Amino acid sequence: QSALTQPPSASGSPGQSVTISCTGTSSDVGGYNYVSWYQQHPGKAPKLMIYEVSKRPSGVPDRFSGSKSGNTASLTVSGLQAEDEADYYCSSYAGSNNFVFGTGTKVTVL
Amino acid sequence: QVQLVQSGAEVKKPGASVKVSCKASGYTFTSYGISWVRQAPGQGLEWMGWISAYNGNTNYAQKLQGRVTMTTDTSTSTAYMELRSLRSDDTAVYYCARVDYVWGFDYWGQGTLVTVSS
Repeated sequence: QSALTQPPSASGSPGQSVTISCTGTSSDVGGYNYVSWYQQHPGKAPKLMIYEVSKRPSGVPDRFSGSKSGNTASLTVSGLQAEDEADYYCSSYAGSNNFVFGTGTKVTVL
Repeated sequence: QVQLVQSGAEVKKPGASVKVSCKASGYTFTSYGISWVRQAPGQGLEWMGWISAYNGNTNYAQKLQGRVTMTTDTSTSTAYMELRSLRSDDTAVYYCARVDYVWGFDYWGQGTLVTVSS
């Protein structure tokens, strides 16, 4: 199972939007609507931000949104804030209780 | 509230084994699976495997097959991950996470640093 492909970095100024892509295959991202996104600050455990492609858990700001087209999922952070600076990882269910993570994207708020 | 509390940091020599625990509270333990995820220094997240807390069924990442064993103790709501034949590249922070294929990994432990060094 190969890692999902994410860009190493992304950046934006406060108030702007940033979109991170997550490319897999028809065996994971393209085959299931079970893509999730995680935010990780340095030295902390990851935090679930988006599940089932586009749903937000309680407490996650609506500035975070997700979508999917074919084998590529995307996370958009609108109205960037300083606290959004973190590493972001996508993950996909890959069938038969297998999961795979993305390579990770470092988001910098300029 | 849901909590996953992991055991403390470990230092092991190459070739040794390590067993990390993850005690769950705040939910019905047997209603969810537990996955283990590791993160080497400065690297990304790596999914290691999954165990059903309901019936103990497991599925391990191919690269760790034969070296990893995941178990649960439903009497104490605790999950365990044992990794054998440790190598230097097993040095990482190991996380447990509650998992559901719909929700993904919705709650995480605080992480356990395992250092493999001679």
